[in-house]
Amino acid sequence: EIVLTQSPVTLSLSPGERATLSCRASQSVNSLLAWYQQKPGQAPRLLIYDASNRATGTPARFSGRGSGTDFTLTISSLEPEDFAVYYCQQRTKRPKPTFGGGTKVEIK
Amino acid sequence: QVQLVESGGGVVQPGGSLRLSCAASGFHFSSYDMHWVRQAPGKGLEWVAVISYDGSNEDFDDSVKGRFTISRDKWKNTVYLEMNSLRAEDTAVYYCAKDLYSGHRSYYMVAWGKGTTVTVSS
Repeated sequence: EIVLTQSPVTLSLSPGERATLSCRASQSVNSLLAWYQQKPGQAPRLLIYDASNRATGTPARFSGRGSGTDFTLTISSLEPEDFAVYYCQQRTKRPKPTFGGGTKVEIK
Repeated sequence: QVQLVESGGGVVQPGGSLRLSCAASGFHFSSYDMHWVRQAPGKGLEWVAVISYDGSNEDFDDSVKGRFTISRDKWKNTVYLEMNSLRAEDTAVYYCAKDLYSGHRSYYMVAWGKGTTVTVSS
């Protein structure tokens, strides 16, 4: 199983600040990585796929980069609605798709 | 717009069975693979199963293989998750999700339902 480790576990920032979230894979996933946002009581929402492609409706302030084992999600300037939990997910066919443990972006 | 509505959750004893349903609308159901993903209370996301757009093949996480089955009804635009031999560790919110791509499997989940809660407890 490919293990995804997200850091930090919690990120405390103020609106307008830049957020940088990390996801590290236990083995290469090439660029087959996605980022999801989940707010309390809601289903996840796909933000980024294939490491850097924004999903339909994802604001431009969200950007993803990386390949192999190291990936980053950057929110250039935090809006109030961006405070949430973010998960990375790899989609290599074998083994099965797995998710990271999540990073909570909270208001400082 | 795409809508996925799960139902069928509830409280069941260990060893029991439950069938979840997911009614889909707003897109061409027969063109997309469909997934089930679960989230235990206070925990992260765990992929459970997928069924191909035409129902010809499916895939499962090892933790549910042999206990869960997945199926779909193209006439009812509905996907099902049949869960047998349930364990306490199956307790979770179960989400139905639509694959990103039409006609082939990406394992990226672009649309999600609100989820249905399954509690396995005596």
